[in-house]
Amino acid sequence: AQKITQTQPGMFVQEKEAVTLDCTYDTSDQSYGLFWYKQPSSGEMIFLIYQGSYDEQNATEGRYSLNFQKARKSANLVISASQLGDSAMYFCAMRGWNSYKLIFGSGTRLLVRP
Amino acid sequence: NAGVTQTPKFRVLKTGQSMTLLCAQDMNHEYMYWYRQDPGMGLRLIHYSVGEGTTAKGEVPDGYNVSRLKKQNFLLGLESAAPSQTSVYFCASSTTGNTEAFFGQGTRLTVV
Repeated sequence: AQKITQTQPGMFVQEKEAVTLDCTYDTSDQSYGLFWYKQPSSGEMIFLIYQGSYDEQNATEGRYSLNFQKARKSANLVISASQLGDSAMYFCAMRGWNSYKLIFGSGTRLLVRP
Repeated sequence: NAGVTQTPKFRVLKTGQSMTLLCAQDMNHEYMYWYRQDPGMGLRLIHYSVGEGTTAKGEVPDGYNVSRLKKQNFLLGLESAAPSQTSVYFCASSTTGNTEAFFGQGTRLTVV
């Protein structure tokens, strides 16, 4: 079975500071991918970053980086230099190579303060 | 450059009515997914498909049926709508392997 857990329902961060959004996962698949998506108040789902289970380096995409700790089964998203436009819901997701299911966590609502 | 298109965008149903939500993708993706999102919650997988002619149950399949007769289309059916099915429905598609899923804009369904 697969499961994604996001334990922070809401987070605040000051503009220009960094913030870490937590994500832990559980899967029986040996190979899997981890994803982060952003959902602004307008409702669309925006892909941010991907990490494969066999990738040795942590993924980075601009101001987004993924802190992947395989032994701890965690895949935390780090946003550097927060901007007001980063205020949104953030979802962690996982897809196992054998199960094909793409499942999501419950999300974290991030509010960036000016 | 359409991507993933969901039809309709909004719908109000009476309890017991039936309807079909259409998801169409023009990216030749193998995998397609249907999710529901309730207020303050994440996306819960209803059904998914790994290729034309295949479907599988997700986390919350009860009360829904799906079909994938053509590779580009994934239909979600509600045979007898219930107020508990009031939600925002998202469709997504992806290629195989380590690539992200692309989402439609969502369908807001209200069952009264």
